[in-house]
Amino acid sequence: AQSVTQLDSQVPVFEEAPVELRCNYSSSVSVYLFWYVQYPNQGLQLLLKYLSGSTLVKGINGFEAEFNKSQTSFHLRKPSVHISDTAEYFCALDTGRRALTFGSGTRLQVQP
Amino acid sequence: ETGVTQSPTHLIKTRGQQVTLRCSSQSGHNTVSWYQQALGQGPQFIFQYYREEENGRGNFPPRFSGLQFPNYSSELNVNALELDDSALYLCASSPDRGGTEAFFGQGTRLTVV
Repeated sequence: AQSVTQLDSQVPVFEEAPVELRCNYSSSVSVYLFWYVQYPNQGLQLLLKYLSGSTLVKGINGFEAEFNKSQTSFHLRKPSVHISDTAEYFCALDTGRRALTFGSGTRLQVQP
Repeated sequence: ETGVTQSPTHLIKTRGQQVTLRCSSQSGHNTVSWYQQALGQGPQFIFQYYREEENGRGNFPPRFSGLQFPNYSSELNVNALELDDSALYLCASSPDRGGTEAFFGQGTRLTVV
């Protein structure tokens, strides 16, 4: 069975500061990795995905993530956050069957 | 091209009742998955339909059932509702390729009282 662990339930950060949201995964087979964002009372929007190739993946809204196979990690980063980035962020994996396994989420709180 | 749409957006049901939630997949997508997201948690996979057949199921009891129609839209049915069924139910559609992102609808907020 596979699993996703998001190490921080909440991350407070000041506006224009850098941020890293941590994600570790466990799987006995190859995986595809995703980061989704969820704004209050809304569905999930894809930020970025790792399918294969370059381990540094760039997504929307200035976010990027790095796939590290040896450390089974896929941490999300942004060099300078905005108030509008305040939301819940979910890391997820797919073993190729298009059924996603999600982490428990990280609440990013951007303060002015 | 239209995205994934779900109906209704909100629903209140009484314990023991039955409920049907609906999802229209994105144009060109033949795979629909349903997820349950309890308050403060990540989404949990319920099941997936591919070309009208169930194609995988998570750890949910048989009172959670579904259908997919020839136009690839889908229904989620829950019988004998329990208070713990209160959650946001998300539908996601995917094209017919492995490893491709899932496109999510806005969800249906179900409250069981």
